[in-house]
Amino acid sequence: GAVVSQHPSRVICKSGTSVKIECRSLDFQATTMFWYRQFPKQSLMLMATSNEGSKATYEQGVEKDKFLINHASLTLSTLTVTSAHPEDSSFYICSARYTGANYGYTFGSGTRLTVV
Amino acid sequence: QKEVEQDPGPLSVPEGAIVSLNCTYSNSAFQYFMWYRQYSRKGPELLMYTYSSGNKEDGRFTAQVDKSSKYISLFIRDSQPSDSATYLCAMTLDTGRRALTFGSGTRLQVQP
Repeated sequence: GAVVSQHPSRVICKSGTSVKIECRSLDFQATTMFWYRQFPKQSLMLMATSNEGSKATYEQGVEKDKFLINHASLTLSTLTVTSAHPEDSSFYICSARYTGANYGYTFGSGTRLTVV
Repeated sequence: QKEVEQDPGPLSVPEGAIVSLNCTYSNSAFQYFMWYRQYSRKGPELLMYTYSSGNKEDGRFTAQVDKSSKYISLFIRDSQPSDSATYLCAMTLDTGRRALTFGSGTRLQVQP
């Protein structure tokens, strides 16, 4: 249980285009989802917290107009990287909190974005 | 100073060894502590979850939390080559709508 499905797993796009990453909770309702960015051999850096039905809360230094987050339902959150540039190339991971016998935070499998 | 400090390694051990991974933290308000395993280019996978101070054991894994010292540990017994991965400690004040704060991760290599 407590599975988060993230798609796509890998995407290559041209500079200036936009890319959408989807994160779905398959067997539970996620009122809150978190989006992280991870550079090679570094830890996960929180980008934003998305709450179902309301605006996302962005961490300091994260451009909300560049990284658009939508959490329209209890099972789906999306991250859109707008007007992507090579410096946006990174590993993006979503996460959601779940409760149950062994509650915690579950993570998607990540999306490797390469902007060329 | 980072909120959570973790030695990045790499840590190389022979198969069958006992592995000790550690993190220190500065925020005494952290209450929930977790260890995640991350294979290359994959999302983190929850290994252990602990609330407040104490020990928790699950198979070959033991997690310890010492809140008085702001120090947490993960022990892996009888390590296997399949344990080779990056291990991330994570913690949070509560499990409401707060995100996790991660350590930088320790890369572990278990040599066959």
